[in-house]
Amino acid sequence: EAGVTQFPSHSVIEKGQTVTLRCDPISGHDNLYWYRRVMGKEIKFLLHFVKESKQDESGMPNNRFLAERTGGTYSTLKVQPAELEDSGVYFCASSQDRRGGEQYFGPGTRLTVT
Amino acid sequence: GDSVTQMEGPVTLSEEAFLTINCTYTATGYPSLFWYVQYPGEGLQLLLKATKADDKGSNKGFEATYRKETTSFHLEKGSVQVSDSAVYFCALSDRTSYDKVIFGPGTSLSVIP
Repeated sequence: EAGVTQFPSHSVIEKGQTVTLRCDPISGHDNLYWYRRVMGKEIKFLLHFVKESKQDESGMPNNRFLAERTGGTYSTLKVQPAELEDSGVYFCASSQDRRGGEQYFGPGTRLTVT
Repeated sequence: GDSVTQMEGPVTLSEEAFLTINCTYTATGYPSLFWYVQYPGEGLQLLLKATKADDKGSNKGFEATYRKETTSFHLEKGSVQVSDSAVYFCALSDRTSYDKVIFGPGTSLSVIP
C-alpha cells in the first residue's frame, strides 16, 4: 500500500511568487491534514479535510494560503504571494478513522522563500 | 489550549547508553499521546502511542507510559543505537477533537559510536 506522497520535495521561490504544494493521501482515507514546521519550531496544524469539505481551518495563518481538495482525493495548498516567513516544511497526513486513529504523514515539502 | 512541552536538544549519547526524553502535556480533555520520529531525510513516523492513563506504548525498544497524575509521557530506551539518531516529537490529540495533532518542539538525538 502506497503511503502519503507529497510533491515537490523541495521548492525555492522568491518573495511575492506563488507556489502550489500537492498531497496524495493513502487511498481510502477520508481525512486529510496539513501541518507545517517553520524555522525549527513546533509542527503546527493548518487545516483538516473530511473528503472534499474543510472540517477545520483554524490553523491557516492568513488569506495568502488556500487549500483545496476537489473530489476528495488529493489536496493542494497554494501560497500566494509567498513571504519570507512562509519558509519551512509542510507536512500532509491522512487517516481513516477520525476517532483517535493514527495519522500517516508524508515526507514533507521543504519550502524556501528568498 | 492544549500544549506539549518536551526537553530541548540536541541530545548526544554514546551507543548503548540509556535514553530518556521528557515530555509533559496540558489538555482539557482526555488526550491520546504519541511519540513521532523523523529520521534524516524522511517523513514523520509514528513511533508509539497510548490512549488512556497507565497505558504503555512500546516499539523498537522504545517505551513510554501515559501518566495522568503527572501529565507526562516520557520516552525511554535502554540501549540506543546509531540508527536511532533522529528528531523525536511528543504529541497529543484530544478525544473531543481528533481533528488535529498538537506537537512538542522536537528533540534532536545524535548517537555516536
